[in-house]
Amino acid sequence: QLQLRESGPGLVMPSETLSLTCTVSGGSISSSSYYWAWICQPPGKGLEWIGSIYYSGNTYYNTSLKSRVTISVDTSTNQFFLQLTPVTAADAAVYYCARLGEAAPGSRPFDIWGQGTMVTVSS
Amino acid sequence: QSVLTQPPSVSGAPGQRVTISCTGSSSNIGAGYELHWYQQLPGTAPKLLIRGDTNRPSGVPDRFSGSKSGTSASLAITGLQAEDEADYYCQSFDNSLSGYVFGPGTKVTVL
Repeated sequence: QLQLRESGPGLVMPSETLSLTCTVSGGSISSSSYYWAWICQPPGKGLEWIGSIYYSGNTYYNTSLKSRVTISVDTSTNQFFLQLTPVTAADAAVYYCARLGEAAPGSRPFDIWGQGTMVTVSS
Repeated sequence: QSVLTQPPSVSGAPGQRVTISCTGSSSNIGAGYELHWYQQLPGTAPKLLIRGDTNRPSGVPDRFSGSKSGTSASLAITGLQAEDEADYYCQSFDNSLSGYVFGPGTKVTVL
């Protein structure tokens, strides 16, 4: 079955760039039925949608993060990516990648999640 | 501050029924966007529990049910079990923010 796995540095210095990769296995990222997303969860807090991408490269970002976020996709490797810059201590969180399932626009659920990866921001 | 509101916590004894509310507005739940619920067990990734307001994905016990009316939705857990102790999040889309939004989460404690 489809699986997602996040990878990347667990420690990022303040003002630097957070870069994460989500590898999709057991299915194609190029499926026309799905979008792909990044979600973060600061320690002890709730979930926040960061942004989403379609296999064609169309992106949609949380307006509160838009100026600092870039999400991209590589269909040849079945991966999509998150870059967040510059980071501050407030960006320390568990970062999840997820699939947005089939549904009408705006009604898609995050139906498959990666296990998450913890990112600490510290010098 | 989230545009969706949930109670911080609910609790119940084993076997009891508990409900979690999720209140939004005309720019999200009330705009007709479907409402989804997620269960997050301690130390794990969230799992889709209810999709499209009322639908359980395969493998989700029928003890979990969802409903929606107007600008609010609810998740009900009947026959509460110890393994249901988790955080529960509602999620929708907000057309004022042009993005997906989550509620702040509700911690369910089994007494």
